[in-house]
Amino acid sequence: EDKVVQSPLSLVVHEGDTVTLNCSYEVTNFRSLLWYKQEKKAPTFLFMLTSSGIEKKSGRLSSILDKKELFSILNITATQTGDSAVYLCAVVGNTNAGKSTFGDGTTLTVKP
Amino acid sequence: ETGVTQTPRHLVMGMTNKKSLKCEQHLGHNAMYWYKQSAKKPLELMFVYNFKEQTENNSVPSRFSPECPNSSHLFLHLHTLQPEDSALYLCASSPQLLGGNEQFFGPGTRLTVL
Repeated sequence: EDKVVQSPLSLVVHEGDTVTLNCSYEVTNFRSLLWYKQEKKAPTFLFMLTSSGIEKKSGRLSSILDKKELFSILNITATQTGDSAVYLCAVVGNTNAGKSTFGDGTTLTVKP
Repeated sequence: ETGVTQTPRHLVMGMTNKKSLKCEQHLGHNAMYWYKQSAKKPLELMFVYNFKEQTENNSVPSRFSPECPNSSHLFLHLHTLQPEDSALYLCASSPQLLGGNEQFFGPGTRLTVL
């Protein structure tokens, strides 16, 4: 059975800090790993990773995948209060094509 | 009113039917998305389009076929679906295809496959 473990479960930082969120996974025949940001409404897609070692970057957010060690990290630099949210990691494997297995999320709180 | 419209709002179809879901936005956004939300599960990304070009396909079965004729319209063509495909299908758009960019969601199409 596919499994996703995120750490830490919660994190409190101050504006300007840099944070690293972790996602480790077990999946049969890995297809993709996705990061989402969820505030009060529906989750927002952040990144989709399929290849190892290739960093995806957008503004202050970046993410990378290690398919050998079965994990991904999401980095947020110069955090702002608007970054406060739950960050979800999900994986898709071949045995459940199109179906995602989600982690429990990391709740990030950025204080002024 | 979010500026993103979806039709139909509800759809019941048999496993042998062919139907299409439509999404329209006139917000001037360049990126559009299809998501699926099954009961008691988080949203799952299906497809991403940027300037009419598909940039992401989250291993979606071929019985779901997206089409993006222009930046304002997005379709999801459905063919020989399974009962487990019953879900809420949400369309979203964002100004640019950037991680963390706010996405504007439509009201969704509630699909039931018999």
